[in-house]
Amino acid sequence: DAGVIQSPRHEVTEMGQEVTLRCKPISGHDYLFWYRQTMMRGLELLIYFNNNVPIDDSGMPEDRFSAKMPNASFSTLKIQPSEPRDSAVYFCASSPRNTRATGNGYTFGSGTRLTVV
Amino acid sequence: SQKIEQNSEALNIQEGKTATLTCNYTNYSPAYLQWYRQDPGRGPVFLLLIRENEKEKRKERLKVTFDTTLKQSLFHITASQPADSATYLCAPERGGSYIPTFGRGTSLIVHP
Repeated sequence: DAGVIQSPRHEVTEMGQEVTLRCKPISGHDYLFWYRQTMMRGLELLIYFNNNVPIDDSGMPEDRFSAKMPNASFSTLKIQPSEPRDSAVYFCASSPRNTRATGNGYTFGSGTRLTVV
Repeated sequence: SQKIEQNSEALNIQEGKTATLTCNYTNYSPAYLQWYRQDPGRGPVFLLLIRENEKEKRKERLKVTFDTTLKQSLFHITASQPADSATYLCAPERGGSYIPTFGRGTSLIVHP
C-alpha cells in the first residue's frame, strides 16, 4: 500500500481564494482524520469520519472550513475564503477500527503546507 | 480543561546514552496513550500504544511506561543513535472518545 496520499504538497494562494486539499486514505481503514499543525498550537484535530460519515467536526475553526468524504477512498478539506491565519501544515490520517484493541495507531500522510498571502 | 505537557526544550544527549522523554496530562482519564515520531517536513509516524492496564511496553530499543495515578507517560530510547533525532509526540486518548489528542512534542537531538 502506498500509505495515506495527500495533494498538493505545497499550496500558495492569495487571501480570499478557495483552497481544496485532498486525501486518499489507506484501503480498508474505517477512520479518516484531518489535522492542522502550527508552531503556536501544535497538532489540532479538525474533523474525523467513520465509514465516510462525519462524526466530530468540533475542531473546525469556522464556517469557512468544510470537509467531505464522498467515498471510502477520497476526502477533501476546503477553505473558502482563505485567510493568512489559515497558513499551516494540514495532515490527513487514517486508521483501522478498534485502535485500542489492535494496538495500531494512525497512519499520517506527508501533509499539505498551505501559505495564504 | 484538558492539557498535555511535554518538555518544550530540546533534549540533547550523546550517542549510546538512554533518552527519556516525559508526557504529563491533566483532566484526562485515557484508556490508552500513543507515541509518535515526527521528522521535519514529514507526518507523524506511529511508534507505540500502551493501554491503561499496561504499566510498560517495549519495542526493540523503545520502552514506554504509563502511570495513571501520576498521569504521566515516560518514553525511553536505549542506546540512542543520531538517527533517533526527531520530535516525539505523546497522544493520550481524548476522554472516552477513542480519539487521541496530541501534545506539542519534544525535540530529541542525539550527538555523535
